Amino acid sequence: FMLTQPHSVSESPGKTVTISCTRSSGGIASNYVQWYQQRPGSSPTTVIFEDNQRPSGVPGRFSGSIDSSSNSASLTISGLRTEDEADYYCQSYDSSNRRVFGGGTKLTVL
Amino acid sequence: EVQLLESGGSLEQPGGSLRLYCSGSGVTLSSYGMSWVRQAPGKGLEWVSGISAGGDSTYDADSVKGRFTISRDNSKNTLYLRMSSLKGEDTAVYYCAKDHHSAPGTYIPGSYLDVWGKGTTVTVSS
Repeated sequence: FMLTQPHSVSESPGKTVTISCTRSSGGIASNYVQWYQQRPGSSPTTVIFEDNQRPSGVPGRFSGSIDSSSNSASLTISGLRTEDEADYYCQSYDSSNRRVFGGGTKLTVL
Repeated sequence: EVQLLESGGSLEQPGGSLRLYCSGSGVTLSSYGMSWVRQAPGKGLEWVSGISAGGDSTYDADSVKGRFTISRDNSKNTLYLRMSSLKGEDTAVYYCAKDHHSAPGTYIPGSYLDVWGKGTTVTVSS
């Protein structure tokens, strides 16, 4: 299966943005979805794991959810800050235990 | 502090072979599944291969199946990626990453990757 994300999104500081991740086949709820943030020149870090859990150290402004009706997962960032500007990737796995990444979404905080 | 350090990346000709290394510090890797993830220039992340904590189960993306082999030496706290029949499309930064969940004897694909190295660059070109 594939995970499809918007190529880019942009929003102003202080606002809220939502990034979607749509699974092409199989149920989105079948396997956990993780979200990674990658700032330019840096390695990825986890912002959401197991659909909606935040690792320690990740601010509460980051939240995750899944929607079976649209077969998609979403990452929502509220109170946008300039430091949130980064690429965001969703990731899940298939029935053969192979991990799958979405194509990534570039978030611009104007 | 838990750290992963990749090495072994270089310029290689198409059809050639290369071996990547990932060493851990501040963590005993033998309790965790591990993965290699790559990122081509200007592109997104692509999961390449995964291996169980004990090394007895491995998993590969279709794009590298039959050409790349992931392995580990837990006595050396080191992960490897043997790359052969290299193609231009294998050009990328290769990251090693550790599963969050400790899983001796098994592999948990639903575990998120909680520690990543800084990556090593592989360039395939004549």
